[in-house]
Amino acid sequence: ELKVEQNPLFLSMQEGKNYTIYCNYSTTSDRLYWYRQDPGKSLESLFVLLSNGAVKQEGRLMASLDTKARLSTLHITAAVHDLSATYFCAVAESGGSNYKLTFGKGTLLTVNP
Amino acid sequence: NAGVTQTPKFRVLKTGQSMTLLCAQDMNHEYMYWYRQDPGMGLRLIHYSVGEGTTAKGEVPDGYNVSRLKKQNFLLGLESAAPSQTSVYFCASKPQLTGTSEAKNIQYFGAGTRLSVL
Repeated sequence: ELKVEQNPLFLSMQEGKNYTIYCNYSTTSDRLYWYRQDPGKSLESLFVLLSNGAVKQEGRLMASLDTKARLSTLHITAAVHDLSATYFCAVAESGGSNYKLTFGKGTLLTVNP
Repeated sequence: NAGVTQTPKFRVLKTGQSMTLLCAQDMNHEYMYWYRQDPGMGLRLIHYSVGEGTTAKGEVPDGYNVSRLKKQNFLLGLESAAPSQTSVYFCASKPQLTGTSEAKNIQYFGAGTRLSVL
């Protein structure tokens, strides 16, 4: 059974600071996704990581994937208030079930002035 | 282009009542999913469908039934609601793409349905 663990689950940071969210998963996968959810809203796809060493960047967010370590990171650079949201990583199992995703519990990020 | 539309957006039920949540997508996606989201639990897969006329159980299927009679619609039913089913329900859909497309597994989510069972 695929397990996905995120940490931290809660993150309060000041504007301008840097921080990293970690996503560990338990079985082989070559598909990892990061989603963002604003309070009371739906989930929005941020990044798709498809291979070992993949790195994607969008604005102040950068995501990377290490399939050998079964680890993905979401790095926040010089945080701004608009980044406050819940961030989820989701992993697709390799093989025939790759149309199903297993989500982590999410990281609630609060960026304070 | 509406994407994934869920109805209703909010609902309050009494224990034992039944209801159906509707998910409609206009993107011609093959795969559709129902999740529930509870505080501190992330999203958990209830049921999913890989095509019209097919359904399969996910991680937490008990107490729910689903149907996919038309490709664009995926219905989630609660036959006898219980307070433990108080949650936010999300529907998602995904295209059936082949090859190495980066979008192969991106799921597109609806706005959610907030359900309270008293």
